Amino acid sequence: KNEVEQSPQNLTAQEGEFITINCSYSVGISALHWLQQHPGGGIVSLFMLSSGKKKHGRLIATINIQEKHSSLHITASHPRDSAVYICAGLGQGNLIFGKGTKLSVKP
Amino acid sequence: NAGVMQNPRHLVRRRGQEARLRCSPMKGHSHVYWYRQLPEEGLKFMVYLQKENIIDESGMPKERFSAEFPKEGPSILRIQQVVRGDSAAYFCASSFATDLTEAFFGQGTRLTVV
Repeated sequence: KNEVEQSPQNLTAQEGEFITINCSYSVGISALHWLQQHPGGGIVSLFMLSSGKKKHGRLIATINIQEKHSSLHITASHPRDSAVYICAGLGQGNLIFGKGTKLSVKP
Repeated sequence: NAGVMQNPRHLVRRRGQEARLRCSPMKGHSHVYWYRQLPEEGLKFMVYLQKENIIDESGMPKERFSAEFPKEGPSILRIQQVVRGDSAAYFCASSFATDLTEAFFGQGTRLTVV
């Protein structure tokens, strides 16, 4: 069974802090998406990773295929980064979603 | 390119009524996926459609739910005789390729059944 597990479930940080959100996945997942969902809002795709590392602005995503683990990092966090971050594994032609990490960045 | 458009954004239905949710994929995309997000839960796959075909409906409840993606016009997710448990956010995503390596999501439709 394909599964995706995220941690932590909730995360509160002070503005400027370095943030890490983790995602572990099971056999059968070939790639990972990191998604962002603002309260009451839609879903935005941040990254798709099948290997290595990607960077976009203050966001960095890494994936370790052997350990079946991915991390999303936010450097110099800002209150506008407050959102739910979701990792989604691509398996058997479909996306399996983690339950999300609710991030709150305090000024 | 307007992105994936879903409407309505919010929909209120009384128990027993029908709900119709629309999704217009990005221009050039012929693959549409519907997902449901129940309160305090993660997104769950419902159905995958290509133009005029249902490819995978393994996540759809067996009764009251149906989906279509006609040759012309948006994809429609239809829920008949809604019940309170259908209250959720429904998202669609579209992709150009079949493998979902690039997926673009809509803003979602928040269905409330009263």
